[in-house]
Amino acid sequence: QKEVEQDPGPLSVPEGAIVSLNCTYSNSAFQYFMWYRQYSRKGPELLMYTYSSGNKEDGRFTAQVDKSSKYISLFIRDSQPSDSATYLCAPGDSSYKLIFGSGTRLLVRP
Amino acid sequence: DAGVTQSPTHLIKTRGQQVTLRCSPKSGHDTVSWYQQALGQGPQFIFQYYEEEERQRGNFPDRFSGHQFPNYSSELNVNALLLGDSALYLCASSPPSGRAGGDEQFFGPGTRLTVL
Repeated sequence: QKEVEQDPGPLSVPEGAIVSLNCTYSNSAFQYFMWYRQYSRKGPELLMYTYSSGNKEDGRFTAQVDKSSKYISLFIRDSQPSDSATYLCAPGDSSYKLIFGSGTRLLVRP
Repeated sequence: DAGVTQSPTHLIKTRGQQVTLRCSPKSGHDTVSWYQQALGQGPQFIFQYYEEEERQRGNFPDRFSGHQFPNYSSELNVNALLLGDSALYLCASSPPSGRAGGDEQFFGPGTRLTVL
């Protein structure tokens, strides 16, 4: 079993839809959680960083962490074609390294 | 403010050769991590450098080595290249923080290495 699991997609939605991206993990030592967006052939771009269970909102993005069920979500409101990319969840523990999921590919149709 | 920069952008090598990749962190950042990303996969942690020393290492062989300079920039060296080393190599930098292990990591654009 992989430490971090993501549905690879692709997830195809119409412009303006609310998108829900999810991630599960197995290591209860993970303390902090990041979401990255990666466009094709580019480096990952940090979207959200959370250090506890609960919700964190930043503009159109909301990150949700449920440590009891080891479940992480990223919600995108009013999705735009420019949001089309691969979304990577990356939890980490005190060892300084991030463990990435394989990513979910999102396509927002105009 | 320049973000994380990496050089070169692309590189083509043959099996058995050696390669050096370079990274300059974001201004004000003192920690550099290296990741390998195979096509269709998430990045995999290679190692992290802090205060010019390797602080943490992932599950990569000794053929992968690195260095951090006093100005916080870093190099990744890979010896005896294998076909399976073909990947996007990403550098990430982190700011100084008192949080044990848990700092945001900001990535550069990567170096695409092809081994023939």
